[in-house]
Formats: sequence, structure tokens, C-alpha cells
Amino acid sequence: GAGVSQSPSNKVTEKGKDVELRCDPISGHTALYWYRQSLGQGLEFLIYFQGNSAPDKSGLPSDRFSAERTGGSVSTLTIQRTQQEDSAVYLCASSRGQSSEKLFFGSGTQLSVL
Amino acid sequence: GNSVTQMEGPVTLSEEAFLTINCTYTATGYPSLFWYVQYPGEGLQLLLKATKADDKGSNKGFEATYRKETTSFHLEKGSVQVSDSAVYFCALSEAGGTSYGKLTFGQGTILTVHP
Repeated sequence: GAGVSQSPSNKVTEKGKDVELRCDPISGHTALYWYRQSLGQGLEFLIYFQGNSAPDKSGLPSDRFSAERTGGSVSTLTIQRTQQEDSAVYLCASSRGQSSEKLFFGSGTQLSVL
Repeated sequence: GNSVTQMEGPVTLSEEAFLTINCTYTATGYPSLFWYVQYPGEGLQLLLKATKADDKGSNKGFEATYRKETTSFHLEKGSVQVSDSAVYFCALSEAGGTSYGKLTFGQGTILTVHP
């Protein structure tokens, strides 16, 4: 596609439910990143993929958070047993490779946990 | 660890005014420095970057100079337009990291430009 696509754009869920957030990177981009944007913490790095491997998962806040990438393309961020503090905008970005400094961001998924 | 501090906003200016948004950083080594911009309803996009000391990044009339001695990367524009209204983020990529896309961001500065 022309840009990074994220779905859904908005997600409202109840505390304790699991959610899946999807990211479609720009075609041909081998590096993919997840970030979280929240009022209290600003923009935080979560995890990075090069191809289907995740060399850096250091930003995942807890073991309730996981992510995978398949076919070197689509990525899914899963949050299990959601908590109110998980409410945030989850941003996905892609780049041509791990040595590329230019990230292309999607518009994000606004997650609200009630 | 790495950190980025931006001047707190929001910043409100009249059209054609001079803009400065301050950014300072803490990092080991020689990080790459970036300004990203988020226009209303759009995703973050790279505005400009600098990869070594004394480099000047520039784009769309915006400039920022990598100052190692003051650990700063202030964003400037000589004459702002209404269309520059957006949220601006300063960021760094750690030197020697495994990925240049692993960024540490500042808190963001909201800029509003009035006609």
C-alpha cells in the first residue's frame, strides 16, 4: 500500500479482555516498530522486528504484551487481560531496514480500556 | 539511559512570527537526532535529521543544528504559517544501536499558528 496501515483505528474494550492490533507496513520495508503514545508517558518504544524476528523487545511493559510478524509483512500486537493503564494510542512504523533512520508511521490505534 | 527534553507547550504564534522549540538530550556516544511532526489527523512524519555534531538538518523552512557541546537540537523557523500548526517531537537514536529506528522521544510541543 501507499503507507503504513493500522486497524482498527479505534478499539474500546472492557478490562480483562484480550485485544489484537494489526499493522500493515509499507511493501518492501523489512523493519517494523511498535510504539505507544500515552498522556502520562509520551511516545515509548515497545518492540522492533527485522523480518519476522524481534531482536529488541525491551519496551514491552509486561508479559501481557506480545507481538508477532509473519511473512515479513503484517504484524499483530496482542494485549492480554487488558488494564485501564493500557489505554493509549498504539503506533506502528516501518522502514527500509534496520540501518534506515527514516520511519514511516501509521495513524495509530486508539485503545480505550473501560 | 537516553532521554530527550523539549520545551513545554503549547506554543501559540501569529503567522510570520519566528519559531524556536528547544530540545536537549542525554545520551552516551554520538546519537542521531530527529524532529518528527504530527499534523492534525495524520501520522507522525520525519521533518528533519542530523547524524553528527555541527550537522544542520533542514526541511520546509525548518532548521535544527546538532550541538554536541550543549547537547541540544533546537528547532527554528523564520516565518511560520497557519499550516505549520501541529505537534512537534524531538527524538534521538542511540549510537551503535542495533536499529536506527529505535527512538527515544521528547514529550512533544503543540504549536498553533493564528492568521
